[in-house]
Amino acid sequence: GAVVSQHPSWVICKSGTSVKIECRSLDFQATTMFWYRQFPKQSLMLMATSNEGSKATYEQGVEKDKFLINHASLTLSTLTVTSAHPEDSSFYICSARDGRGWGTEAFFGQGTRLTVV
Amino acid sequence: KNEVEQSPQNLTAQEGEFITINCSYSVGISALHWLQQHPGGGIVSLFMLSSGKKKHGRLIATINIQEKHSSLHITASHPRDSAVYICAANPLIQGAQKLVFGQGTRLTINP
Repeated sequence: GAVVSQHPSWVICKSGTSVKIECRSLDFQATTMFWYRQFPKQSLMLMATSNEGSKATYEQGVEKDKFLINHASLTLSTLTVTSAHPEDSSFYICSARDGRGWGTEAFFGQGTRLTVV
Repeated sequence: KNEVEQSPQNLTAQEGEFITINCSYSVGISALHWLQQHPGGGIVSLFMLSSGKKKHGRLIATINIQEKHSSLHITASHPRDSAVYICAANPLIQGAQKLVFGQGTRLTINP
């Protein structure tokens, strides 16, 4: 089946630095990818929808200047957490659909556990 | 009230037991997904349903569109089935690819 690869799987960074997380669709083209954040023992919270070749669509309450999303190709989307602070520590996971519309499975990356110290 | 509700939130069972996890939704949907999240965080797509029933190995998923209800069953459960199971709906009224997630069911299978 389709595979979505997310890198890194974990990262520890100092407060004030920026961290880039990559999400790749390995064997299909993903015109749309989704970025989620998950707090411990809670469900996935959609942060933004990443569209290839255009600006990302952010959910209400998500700071677009803090969470920069770039979807430069049909197989790669990146999420950059800028000027990270301890409250940004969380589990981030990306997802892509294999094809357009609703009738396609959702595939998820392995997730990235970010710890800001 | 969430658009997608799961029950139970936590479930502990003995190895070999038949497991049922329920998912109810309050909006019209085009498809419903069952996902499995392992302790490490990775998420695997188990099923995508728009009607009827699907089976894969020991896993069975059913959906009743009229009743807005879906169930995930695990037969002959095993400790390796321990994970969080999440149902997610594709609402008809939102963007075609967006998913709305249930809270998840944390399943623990004891040997």
